[in-house]
Amino acid sequence: GQQVMQIPQYQHVQEGEDFTTYCNSSTTLSNIQWYKQRPGGHPVFLIQLVKSGEVKKQKRLTFQFGEAKKNSSLHITATQTTDVGTYFCAEAPYNDYKLSFGAGTTVTVRA
Amino acid sequence: EAQVTQNPRYLITVTGKKLTVTCSQNMNHEYMSWYRQDPGLGLRQIYYSMNVEVTDKGDVPEGYKVSRKEKRNFPLILESPSPNQTSLYFCASSHLTSGPTDTQYFGPGTRLTVL
Repeated sequence: GQQVMQIPQYQHVQEGEDFTTYCNSSTTLSNIQWYKQRPGGHPVFLIQLVKSGEVKKQKRLTFQFGEAKKNSSLHITATQTTDVGTYFCAEAPYNDYKLSFGAGTTVTVRA
Repeated sequence: EAQVTQNPRYLITVTGKKLTVTCSQNMNHEYMSWYRQDPGLGLRQIYYSMNVEVTDKGDVPEGYKVSRKEKRNFPLILESPSPNQTSLYFCASSHLTSGPTDTQYFGPGTRLTVL
């Protein structure tokens, strides 16, 4: 079953504002991958975090892996209409070949 | 162009009529998998394959079969489809390191409706 829980399920954001979506687990995660799926499209890989406390940035997107490796966050600054879509986190355990996705956060942007 | 292709993209069928959804990748990836996407449930893994002739169950394998006779192809077979298998299906592939930790490349999706 799903090992990772994502909150919120929906995020309505005013264009230009910042928002954060979270990925939480009750167990220690091997890693976290983040994907973005545009409406009507397929998931596209954004980034992978592996180390405790790791922070990576991609332009306006900041990804963070918690110190205890039980949570991760995606923070988007100055939201644009191009940020619309569903953001998924996923874990790919080192001792397993399954990939477990969270339910996703669906983002809509008000112009 | 590196890509994962799926066919058909859309399919409407009736209960009990066997169907196959094809998936092919041109990146020489060892790892391939199938997911279904349902509202509020995200992506759930159906089956995966680490290489030719090596497959294993994901989280929701009931009612599905797969085969991996060639490295590039990983078809999904529904022997007797039922309405609860109406869903959006994605195939994905990646290189295999110590697990599926490499970038997953997804196909465009197949929207299946079972009446």
